[in-house]
Amino acid sequence: DAKTTQPPSMDCAEGRAANLPCNHSTISGNEYVYWYRQIHSQGPQYIIHGLKNNETNEMASLIITEDRKSSTLILPHATLRDTAVYYCIVRVGNNQGGKLIFGQGTELSVKP
Amino acid sequence: NAGVTQTPKFRVLKTGQSMTLLCAQDMNHEYMYWYRQDPGMGLRLIHYSVGEGTTAKGEVPDGYNVSRLKKQNFLLGLESAAPSQTSVYFCASSGAGTSARKEQYFGPGTRLTVT
Repeated sequence: DAKTTQPPSMDCAEGRAANLPCNHSTISGNEYVYWYRQIHSQGPQYIIHGLKNNETNEMASLIITEDRKSSTLILPHATLRDTAVYYCIVRVGNNQGGKLIFGQGTELSVKP
Repeated sequence: NAGVTQTPKFRVLKTGQSMTLLCAQDMNHEYMYWYRQDPGMGLRLIHYSVGEGTTAKGEVPDGYNVSRLKKQNFLLGLESAAPSQTSVYFCASSGAGTSARKEQYFGPGTRLTVT
């Protein structure tokens, strides 16, 4: 699975959009980009995933560049409850037992 | 529907003692996983299982054994605990199949301290 690079920390004002970047320059054609988050030492929570098209769900939007070497997770109206560590992970669908390889993630602090 | 549950929530062991962590899921998931998370780090995969009776090694399997005798349960054993195994342990489960939308559901974690 390809490696990912994320900034270690970011701040965001409450009510504003939070844009979390992720670089995955060695991603293969059949690898998906997944985002999970972990709130205060709880178990991680799935947010969204995509292959090459932009995706949106009730939690967030995922923008993947045309060359697929980077992506951005967007939380459109961040709240204090969005303060968490956000992990960007690339993997080949649900093959290989659906394993996830976590990096160190980005610690997002949403401030009032 | 409880999702993924872990037992116990906290445990303190002395070096050399053994223990078993229990993970249970009620979502009829095929795949189950054990991760550990050290302070300030991301999760690392210890062992995983793609079905009842099968297990496989992850990134950091040494010092741990696992068993999946029933589909809904995944046990993680420490035969001789070491201080380096002090960590938070997370269990997760997910559905099988080739669809990419097979997110993992995580339990609340077990905080283990080995003195």
